[in-house]
Amino acid sequence: AQSVSQHNHHVILSEAASLELGCNYSYGGTVNLFWYVQYPGQHLQLLLKYFSGDPLVKGIKGFEAEFIKSKFSFNLRKPSVQWSDTAEYFCAVNDPGGGNKLTFGTGTQLKVEL
Amino acid sequence: DTGVSQNPRHKITKRGQNVTFRCDPISEHNRLYWYRQTLGQGPEFLTYFQNEAQLEKSRLLSDRFSAERPKGSFSTLEIQRTEQGDSAMYLCASSAQGATTDTQYFGPGTRLTVL
Repeated sequence: AQSVSQHNHHVILSEAASLELGCNYSYGGTVNLFWYVQYPGQHLQLLLKYFSGDPLVKGIKGFEAEFIKSKFSFNLRKPSVQWSDTAEYFCAVNDPGGGNKLTFGTGTQLKVEL
Repeated sequence: DTGVSQNPRHKITKRGQNVTFRCDPISEHNRLYWYRQTLGQGPEFLTYFQNEAQLEKSRLLSDRFSAERPKGSFSTLEIQRTEQGDSAMYLCASSAQGATTDTQYFGPGTRLTVL
C-alpha cells in the first residue's frame, strides 16, 4: 500500500524566510502528486499538482514543488513566506493504477511570525 | 462559486445513534470520494463513486458505515450505532474523470462528535 511521509510536523518561520517542506512517498511506479493547504477555519484547497512533464511545478501564491523520482520525493518550496501562509500543508499521492484514492501524509503545521 | 458542499457542518450525537451526512459535489464531476480525518492526521480514504457505482471501499469502512450515490449526483454517508471512535471530520471530495487529470476538490467537511 502507498504511504506518504512528511517529516516536518511543525515549522515556525519568520516572514520573508524561505520554506521547504519535505514529502516522500513509497510507491515506485507512476504517480500523481499533490500538495493541499488548509488555512485556519477553511477547507482543503489544492496548492499544486504534478502529473507528468516538467518535474518543477508551480502553484498558487508563489509555491512550487520539485518531483525527484529517484528520491521518491515531492518537496514544497517558497522563497519568501508571508504571515498569510500560516496553515497546515498536506502532501498526497494518487496511484493511477490503484484506484483514484489519495493517500495523504500527516501534514505540516506552518506558523509564520511577523 | 459552486464548490463541494456538505451538510451538516457539525453533528453531535450520543453513542449508539445513527447519523447521516450529505455531500453535494461540483455539478459536472462524476467522481465522488469520502475521507475521514482525525486530529493530527491527514485525511484517510473511505470510499469512492464513479457516477452511481461504488468502485472502492477501504477496510476502514466497517459494516456500520454505508455510502450511497443513488442518482450519480449527491451522496450520503451513514454511520449506524455510532461509537466514540467515530468522532472525526468527514470530508467529501469530487473530481471529473480524466486519464491524467483527476484532481479532487474538497468540501468543508462534517465534524462528528460522539458522546
